[in-house]
Amino acid sequence: EVQLLESGGGLVQPGGSLRLSCAASGFSFSSHAMAWVRQAPGKGLEWVSTISGGGGSTYDTDSVKGRFTISRDNSKNTLYLQMNNLRAEDTAVYYCAKLRTTVITNPFDYWGQGTLVTVSS
Amino acid sequence: EIVMTQSPATLSVSPGERATLSCRASQSVTGNLAWYQQKPGQAPRLLIYAASTRATGIPARFSGSGSGTEFTLTISSLQSEDFAVYFCLQYNNWPPWTFGQGTKVEIK
Repeated sequence: EVQLLESGGGLVQPGGSLRLSCAASGFSFSSHAMAWVRQAPGKGLEWVSTISGGGGSTYDTDSVKGRFTISRDNSKNTLYLQMNNLRAEDTAVYYCAKLRTTVITNPFDYWGQGTLVTVSS
Repeated sequence: EIVMTQSPATLSVSPGERATLSCRASQSVTGNLAWYQQKPGQAPRLLIYAASTRATGIPARFSGSGSGTEFTLTISSLQSEDFAVYFCLQYNNWPPWTFGQGTKVEIK
């Protein structure tokens, strides 16, 4: 059974930093690209970042470039999102998601339960 | 960036009736289109991928169709557990992967 468990969310002041983690199990973690998707309160879904299975390729939405860094540790089956210089508009539930197959041109098939990040003074 | 537009924003349907949801892409995404269901407080669940393939465990009352820029999700006979928000996602031209803004299916 595929399981994705996020952690690391919380309340942070504008300009602060957080690191989100996502512990994965039930599939061949290193074979699959992984992603972070966020959802602001009462809003729709927004893709944030994707990383290839080996970690050598990463992709970010424009609004987080230079501030957020996606990474992974395949020895620990864990995905990360380092978030720096946080802004109020980054407030959202952050979901970890797995791409459906080993090819990046795929939808997200399994999602974690999400972790809430609140940026406020 | 490909913009995904869903319609209607809200759909009021009686249990047992058919629901038809639309998703339009600003340029062709070929067949690389997925549909998700999201209930309050829950993560999205993949329903359909490749425009018309049901994901594992998804009931047959959910069906998807379309290609290029026009796509449809049909729920043939709405059950109580189907009242939720539905999102489409294009994964043809990335980055970015882009979602529609969602259609809320509510009880009439």
